Amino acid sequence: QVQLVESGGGMVQPGRSLRLSCAASGFTFDTYALHWVRQAPGKGLEWVAVISYDGNIKSYADSVKGRFTISRDNSKNTLYLQMNSLRDEDTAVFYCAREVWGWAAPHHPGYWGQGTLVTVSS
Amino acid sequence: DIVMTQTPVSLSVIPGQPASISCKSSQSLMHSDGKTYLSWYLQRPGQSPQLLIYEVSNRFSGVPDNFSGSGSGTDFTLKISRVEAEDVGLYYCLQSLQLPYTFGQGTKLEIK
Repeated sequence: QVQLVESGGGMVQPGRSLRLSCAASGFTFDTYALHWVRQAPGKGLEWVAVISYDGNIKSYADSVKGRFTISRDNSKNTLYLQMNSLRDEDTAVFYCAREVWGWAAPHHPGYWGQGTLVTVSS
Repeated sequence: DIVMTQTPVSLSVIPGQPASISCKSSQSLMHSDGKTYLSWYLQRPGQSPQLLIYEVSNRFSGVPDNFSGSGSGTDFTLKISRVEAEDVGLYYCLQSLQLPYTFGQGTKLEIK
């Protein structure tokens, strides 16, 4: 079955960097687009970024554009989110999510991991 | 960016009674491919979000048929025909027509 396991979260000071990983299993990784979605404590969901199945197309929320980079290593079945210049307001649980259908445009984050908590604080 | 507005913010429902959540978008969510990219998610307490409905009215795999979605253009509705205890949580709509994708602010469903 589809399994997505996020890691790399933790506490970091403002202005520093952190890289999140999402290890995937149970499906053919290189045929699915992937998303990152975050949720600040006690707040709603915020879509963060998406990457196409081949890594050629990437898009970001305005709030993270220029600071975060989404990438994937299809040989390792792993999705990444490089987060630079972190701010207090980036504190959140970060979820990775897989598109419902393979070889498709990324319109449907259908399978979600359990999330990893990032806390930005001095 | 497309703004998604959900109402109500919260609702309290007697088990076995119906519930309805509205989601309005700031522009039409119909794509040139003819599909309308509006989805609904449920986040149960302490859990990750789960996809319930995609493209307005299609139930995702494993979603019980007491959940239904309807609407078009900019106005959409999620209906639960008979609320059960396990339906408690936060419900979100998502527009995935135009990047960046945007969620509604959420609707909290409680059992009365």
